[in-house]
Amino acid sequence: DTAVSQTPKYLVTQMGNDKSIKCEQNLGHDTMYWYKQDSKKFLKIMFSYNNKELIINETVPNRFSPKSPDKAHLNLHINSLELGDSAVYFCASSQAGGRMLETQYFGPGTRLLVL
Amino acid sequence: AQSVSQHNHHVILSEAASLELGCNYSYGGTVNLFWYVQYPGQHLQLLLKYFSGDPLVKGIKGFEAEFIKSKFSFNLRKPSVQWSDTAEYFCAVNTGRRALTFGSGTRLQVQP
Repeated sequence: DTAVSQTPKYLVTQMGNDKSIKCEQNLGHDTMYWYKQDSKKFLKIMFSYNNKELIINETVPNRFSPKSPDKAHLNLHINSLELGDSAVYFCASSQAGGRMLETQYFGPGTRLLVL
Repeated sequence: AQSVSQHNHHVILSEAASLELGCNYSYGGTVNLFWYVQYPGQHLQLLLKYFSGDPLVKGIKGFEAEFIKSKFSFNLRKPSVQWSDTAEYFCAVNTGRRALTFGSGTRLQVQP
């Protein structure tokens, strides 16, 4: 009964490749997020979708493109992978828009290593 | 822009010692505050949260945190740590911008 799930858990790939990470939540939430955790464990928001609509798009290279086919899924596609993209990517969800009085629930993370 | 500071980057304690991890945020308006824990190789789990009301909040596994508005602080405490508390601890704040702003994390190592 995993609430927020991500696939794959680990991803090792070469520079220049294109890869996707998938996220699914079964909590019935309207809002989903992608966070990036760098090598120093610092977590930073990348994107947020509310009911399939993009509501947050931080300063992220346009090689990163989120896609939300429905409100239970938020995938992250990365083109032309670079060494600096190596990180742990966390998906999260919350009930309605990420406003105050909401709690975000996180997935297990996808550890991406670009060689 | 809001920010969150966790001044203790790495804390080493013996079992049964008391724990206090500092968290300060910079934002003058209403905030929601969270502590998340990340056990080795695992995902972020919510320890506790503060939305309003009693500034002393209790979470899971014997953790508690106190919101002191005048000090912009939300420190995490536990009276007696266990080896299983070894993990990374993250303080986070929601100021209504629809995403959490995290601190840089505190690595807690509990020695048996």
